[in-house]
Amino acid sequence: GNSVTQMEGPVTLSEEAFLTINCTYTATGYPSLFWYVQYPGEGLQLLLKATKADDKGSNKGFEATYRKETTSFHLEKGSVQVSDSAVYFCALRTPGTYKYIFGTGTRLKVLA
Amino acid sequence: NAGVTQTPKFQVLKTGQSMTLQCAQDMNHEYMSWYRQDPGMGLRLIHYSVGAGITDQGEVPNGYNVSRSTTEDFPLRLLSAAPSQTSVYFCASSALGLAGEETQYFGPGTRLLVL
Repeated sequence: GNSVTQMEGPVTLSEEAFLTINCTYTATGYPSLFWYVQYPGEGLQLLLKATKADDKGSNKGFEATYRKETTSFHLEKGSVQVSDSAVYFCALRTPGTYKYIFGTGTRLKVLA
Repeated sequence: NAGVTQTPKFQVLKTGQSMTLQCAQDMNHEYMSWYRQDPGMGLRLIHYSVGAGITDQGEVPNGYNVSRSTTEDFPLRLLSAAPSQTSVYFCASSALGLAGEETQYFGPGTRLLVL
């Protein structure tokens, strides 16, 4: 079945460090891919998305590229801030369905 | 716009009790869904709906019932609560489309503890 695998957390970085959170997926066809962010005590918010191969989603300095050949959608940011501390979820939606599958989440902690 | 609202924020139940988690949205979204969030498990889809009168099962539907009588509301019912249902529950909504571009908007969550 379809699945999403994220790197284990927590990830602890110093402010202004480079961030990569790995995400790989298994799915039939060409799923849409998403990154969501959850700040403490809140619901999830869409961070970025990509709906076809080689698309790059970007928002708030975060980027992720849909790589069909490696079935990956890694999240990157060039310079993290303390305010980026949150839990990040990779997710997919199989085309033609309304079912979303989420990864287990990766907690990011950025130290000043 | 209030977006997606959920009530209550926190609830404690005893095993065997029933309750309804409320979810409402004011964005006229046709798609609504319920997830549970457990440590190390991420979010798992319980039930979803693509419009009033239409519901379907997600990944973990057992022990939960839903109905959709209006576009705005999508309540989740626990008929006989079990400790395994201790979790944080999120409701989400989005516009309807098969292209996969639609953004899901999440509520703030309901934390449920079953003793």
